Amino acid sequence: AQKVTQAQTEISVVEKEDVTLDCVYETRDTTYYLFWYKQPPSGELVFLIRRNSFDEQNEISGRYSWNFQKSTSSFNFTITASQVVDSAVYFCALSASANQAGTALIFGKGTTLSVSS
Amino acid sequence: NAGVMQNPRHLVRRRGQEARLRCSPMKGHSHVYWYRQLPEEGLKFMVYLQKENIIDESGMPKERFSAEFPKEGPSILRIQQVVRGDSAAYFCASSPPSLLRERTQYFGPGTRLLVL
Repeated sequence: AQKVTQAQTEISVVEKEDVTLDCVYETRDTTYYLFWYKQPPSGELVFLIRRNSFDEQNEISGRYSWNFQKSTSSFNFTITASQVVDSAVYFCALSASANQAGTALIFGKGTTLSVSS
Repeated sequence: NAGVMQNPRHLVRRRGQEARLRCSPMKGHSHVYWYRQLPEEGLKFMVYLQKENIIDESGMPKERFSAEFPKEGPSILRIQQVVRGDSAAYFCASSPPSLLRERTQYFGPGTRLLVL
């Protein structure tokens, strides 16, 4: 079975704090892809990052960084020096079944991040 | 470069009516996916289509729901005889052709369906 777990339902921080959003996944496939999406209060879904299972390099993009660890089946997302505009629901998602051209994304339930000033 | 377009953004229907949701993928994308976001339940996959073909409809309810992606025009998600439980946000996503092995799905703004 394939599954994504985001154990943190809600997180509240004050501006400039660092915050890490956890994501744990389950799959038996050897080739898979992991994603993070952001859903701000306006409701749209914004793609943030994709990582494939063969690339365990961590990635940094501005204040955002991602830590992919196959040994613990985790793909955590850290926001450094959080800002009010970071307030949103963040979803982690998994795409597996390597032989198919396109497959369904399996989403976690999301973590609601609230950043106060 | 226009993103994924969905219309209408908001749709109100009375029980028993039909709802038609439209999705135009990003330019150059030939794969379309529909997801539903119910309150408290997160995003769930419904159906995956390519032009004129349904590839995977494992997430579609067996009755009242159908989807198409014709050769010309947008993809349509159709819900017949809507019930209150169909109230949700419906998201469409698209991705490029498979040869590129690009699996990123880019989402539209969603259609919020409210059934009275």
